[in-house]
Amino acid sequence: QAGLTQPPSVSKDLRQTATLTCIGNNNNVGDQGAAWLQQHQGHRPKLLSSRDNNRPSGISERFSASRSGSTASLTITGLQPEDEADYYCSAWDSSLSAWVFGGGTKLTVL
Amino acid sequence: EVQLAESGGGLVQPGGSLRLSCAASGFTFSTCWLHWVRQAPGKGLIWVSGINNDGTTTIYEDSLKGRITISRDNAKNTLYLQMNSLRAEDTAVYYCVRDINSFDVWGQGTMVTVST
Repeated sequence: QAGLTQPPSVSKDLRQTATLTCIGNNNNVGDQGAAWLQQHQGHRPKLLSSRDNNRPSGISERFSASRSGSTASLTITGLQPEDEADYYCSAWDSSLSAWVFGGGTKLTVL
Repeated sequence: EVQLAESGGGLVQPGGSLRLSCAASGFTFSTCWLHWVRQAPGKGLIWVSGINNDGTTTIYEDSLKGRITISRDNAKNTLYLQMNSLRAEDTAVYYCVRDINSFDVWGQGTMVTVST
């Protein structure tokens, strides 16, 4: 299954800003955008940002999503210890007629 | 409260079958797409299958076509995944996911282990 490309790991200091990237193509991210999910170890994934870059109710304003062409980004400001988790992007791929995920980025807060 | 609760996982031998169920509550079940997403131990998320609100449209991950069938019973607020000819590589946690403008609600998952 062709997927989206995410860096396997990112490390940032406490209270700093992390920007996670998700690279797709014109058939997925570049077409309808990407959603972002957070998953803590041993827990179910949680939606942070929908495909139209909106935060669900209850999600901190420290999380913001954007897109430039076929690359989606998730920016997390004022990093906190609880932000340490795996982050996944997902998008609809119109050429595959399937949903695709990125491989996930493990964020470490130092 | 919006909830999804999967069941039906367990240990099955290679070549065997399982039917997963997902009971929904707290929202109007018949108005949204639903999906199954799986996650092998220590690995990332993989989309498996999706079904539209009235069950007339189903979509599947290419490599799983022919072995799985997604269905829903809107009268019972329940989503299903029938899995046949199971292989070791199907071992994973299977999540039921609601799709209202992205994968917005996830169940707790049910573990499927394919092994002798």
